[in-house]
Amino acid sequence: ETGVTQTPRHLVMGMTNKKSLKCEQHLGHNAMYWYKQSAKKPLELMFVYNFKEQTENNSVPSRFSPECPNSSHLFLHLHTLQPEDSALYLCASSQDQDSSYEQYFGPGTRLTVT
Amino acid sequence: GQNIDQPTEMTATEGAIVQINCTYQTSGFNGLFWYQQHAGEAPTFLSYNVLDGLEEKGRFSSFLSRSKGYSYLLLKELQMKDSASYLCAVRDSNYQLIWGAGTKLIIKP
Repeated sequence: ETGVTQTPRHLVMGMTNKKSLKCEQHLGHNAMYWYKQSAKKPLELMFVYNFKEQTENNSVPSRFSPECPNSSHLFLHLHTLQPEDSALYLCASSQDQDSSYEQYFGPGTRLTVT
Repeated sequence: GQNIDQPTEMTATEGAIVQINCTYQTSGFNGLFWYQQHAGEAPTFLSYNVLDGLEEKGRFSSFLSRSKGYSYLLLKELQMKDSASYLCAVRDSNYQLIWGAGTKLIIKP
């Protein structure tokens, strides 16, 4: 596979469930990102990892927990979510965090919390 | 606060030219990006401007004026496949990308 992949593409979960989103990049990049995209709103940066170290956490509720075991993989662990957490969750990667290089996005996971 | 403004929606005709504007107010400036996002798909990179002026890439061009906090994306010879949302993003002094809400472009035959 090439580029950035995300699984699952669609997820429906209840507020008491625990699930994980997975992202993998095959580009040899060192920075990975989680974004939340809600309808008609700007992309919201959630977390940034640079060389496997978390460098940004934009006041994200603790019910979202990221994990970056290596530079190619990024997870977002979800538990006790709220209906307002329903959105498209996008993963992205770039050469590194502090460069002019563009970010490459995965296709996203469409999350619905019931 | 930091802010990116772009029109919510625009409509244009196949074969025509359309200009999508973006104005920004950010803490510092380290480049401006334009991305295209088709419905249900990932955003894909279109262009990057860090110096004032026009960058041309085939049918797409992007312009930047740092003194005015302004950019535009120009799409020529519009095709139906250009129907998508166009996202403007500015990298601030902390190298964090600040995103606009996107402009939905509708192309009519």
